[in-house]
Amino acid sequence: GENVEQHPSTLSVQEGDSAVIKCTYSDSASNYFPWYKQELGKRPQLIIDIRSNVGEKKDQRIAVTLNKTAKHFSLHITETQPEDSAVYFCAALDKLIFGAGTRLAVHP
Amino acid sequence: EAQVTQNPRYLITVTGKKLTVTCSQNMNHEYMSWYRQDPGLGLRQIYYSMNVEVTDKGDVPEGYKVSRKEKRNFPLILESPSPNQTSLYFCASSRDSQNQPQHFGDGTRLSIL
Repeated sequence: GENVEQHPSTLSVQEGDSAVIKCTYSDSASNYFPWYKQELGKRPQLIIDIRSNVGEKKDQRIAVTLNKTAKHFSLHITETQPEDSAVYFCAALDKLIFGAGTRLAVHP
Repeated sequence: EAQVTQNPRYLITVTGKKLTVTCSQNMNHEYMSWYRQDPGLGLRQIYYSMNVEVTDKGDVPEGYKVSRKEKRNFPLILESPSPNQTSLYFCASSRDSQNQPQHFGDGTRLSIL
C-alpha cells in the first residue's frame, strides 16, 4: 500500500531563516498532496496543497514543490517566524496517507 | 461558524466498557472520516464515509465501528475498548472526497485503563 516518509522529524531554525520539509511517497497513482500544520494542543489545519498536474505552488511565505518522477514533494517556509513553530504533516492521496510529522521550532 | 464538533474532548475509561465519540459537522459535507494520532506515527485513518449509509475501512479499523445515518453525524464506536486504543482521535470532513481539504475537529483524547 501507499507509504509516505517525512523528513526530518524535528527541525530547529533561527527566526528569519528558511525551513524545508521533505516527503516521499510510494504510490505513483497519488494525485493530491496537502500539508497540514498542527499547533500544540490544536487541530491540524491545511496550509497549502498541490495536485499532480502542478509542479510548484506558492502562498506568501509558504511554497510546495512536487517531483512526480522522483515521487517526492517538499514544503518550503521562508522568513520563518516564531508562530511558524508547530508540527507539520504531509499527506499523499490516492488514499489519504499522512507522514509521521515534523516538529518545527523557530527560535527568536 | 463552519465547524466539526467532537464530544467528549477527554475521556478516561476502563477496558471493555463500550464508548461512543460523537462527531458532527455543519458544512453539509458528504465525506467524513476518523483518524487516530499517536507519537511518531502521524495521523492514521480508522474509517471513512463517502455519504449517508456508505462507510469503509481505513488503515487501522480493528476494534472500531462507525455509522452514518445522517449526513452531519459520524460517531466512532469502541465496543470493547482496550489499552492499545489509548490515543488522540480526530474527526474530519470535506465537501465530497478525501481529495479536498479536510476540516478537523478539536480532537478527543481517550485513555483506556
